Amino acid sequence: AQKVTQAQTEISVVEKEDVTLDCVYETRDTTYYLFWYKQPPSGELVFLIRRNSFDEQNEISGRYSWNFQKSTSSFNFTITASQVVDSAVYFCALSETWGTDKLIFGTGTRLQVFP
Amino acid sequence: NAGVMQNPRHLVRRRGQEARLRCSPMKGHSHVYWYRQLPEEGLKFMVYLQKENIIDESGMPKERFSAEFPKEGPSILRIQQVVRGDSAAYFCASSSGQGQGQPQHFGDGTRLSIL
Repeated sequence: AQKVTQAQTEISVVEKEDVTLDCVYETRDTTYYLFWYKQPPSGELVFLIRRNSFDEQNEISGRYSWNFQKSTSSFNFTITASQVVDSAVYFCALSETWGTDKLIFGTGTRLQVFP
Repeated sequence: NAGVMQNPRHLVRRRGQEARLRCSPMKGHSHVYWYRQLPEEGLKFMVYLQKENIIDESGMPKERFSAEFPKEGPSILRIQQVVRGDSAAYFCASSSGQGQGQPQHFGDGTRLSIL
């Protein structure tokens, strides 16, 4: 069975601090995709990144970076020099390649960045 | 705006009434997914549709809930005889393909409140 665990329910930091959001997944598939989505206070869901199971390269996009480690089934997300606008709920999600692409979401991590 | 369009943004119903939620996918997308987000929880998959076909409804409650995606027009999620427990945010997402891990792009959601 597929499962995504985001153990951190809520994280509070002060602006300019770095913060890492953890994501651990379970799947029996050898090929799968991992995603991060952001849900700001306004409520919409914003796609951030997709990673397939064959690509373990870390990725950096501006202040965001992602660390995918297949050996530990983790796909962690780091925000460098956090800003108040980063305050949101962040969801990690998993989909299997040979199925319907339905997303299995974690329960989310609420990030609060204080000025 | 070529994004996923959901309406209404907010919907209030009394117990026993029907709720109809609409979703127009992104231009060029023929795959539609519905998810439900209960208060303070992550998103849970409900149903996956392509034009005129339900592909996977494994997440749909067995009674009172139905979904369609007609040849013309938006996808509709219909909840009959609503109960208090149906209060949630309902998100629609669309993608351009299946089995390729295509990112799903979400609408702003419909917040359903049952009085």
